Amino acid sequence: QQQVKQSPQSLIVQKGGISIINCAYENTAFDYFPWYQQFPGKGPALLIAIRPDVSEKKEGRFTISFNKSAKQFSLHIMDSQPGDSATYFCAASFGTSGSRLTFGEGTQLTVNP
Amino acid sequence: DTAVSQTPKYLVTQMGNDKSIKCEQNLGHDTMYWYKQDSKKFLKIMFSYNNKELIINETVPNRFSPKSPDKAHLNLHINSLELGDSAVYFCASSQRPTNTGELFFGEGSRLTVL
Repeated sequence: QQQVKQSPQSLIVQKGGISIINCAYENTAFDYFPWYQQFPGKGPALLIAIRPDVSEKKEGRFTISFNKSAKQFSLHIMDSQPGDSATYFCAASFGTSGSRLTFGEGTQLTVNP
Repeated sequence: DTAVSQTPKYLVTQMGNDKSIKCEQNLGHDTMYWYKQDSKKFLKIMFSYNNKELIINETVPNRFSPKSPDKAHLNLHINSLELGDSAVYFCASSQRPTNTGELFFGEGSRLTVL
């Protein structure tokens, strides 16, 4: 049972464009929603995270938008750069899960120069 | 100065063999994890230890046995390897087993079972 669904599976964007990756979750107990970035041959690394008490969080070119009623959240990458090319994972967990992150399926982002 | 290091980085072995992957973290974290990433890049937690105590044990075949000799080390031993065990295994650590803690991942150990 996939509790966090992520789309699209792959995304190609031109340099300077906006990359948008979407996730939807089922478990209303989830209260922490991080995004991880993974480069080839490396482990995932935390990019940005949000709690459901805010609707948006921005860090540099990266923004998470959160819609609690729709049980959806998304990652926006503004002014996308070739160096942003990586696989992005959304994830979710809840208070008693003891850091048991449930990951989405991943989105392979390619930013063309 | 690697924060979470795993060895070996690559493992190629025959079906039926037994293999181990070792993990060490120098971040002073209390909690360590094993995640499996399959060929479609899907990440799934297998085990978690907090200060040497097993706290998460997902539905994983008994052939997989984690061991944590101290809170800085977490090893994974796999018996009677099967083709379906081929994957990248990631070790990770966090400061504590809370749901808002950042996970620090190693670079992964790619296991190929022939």
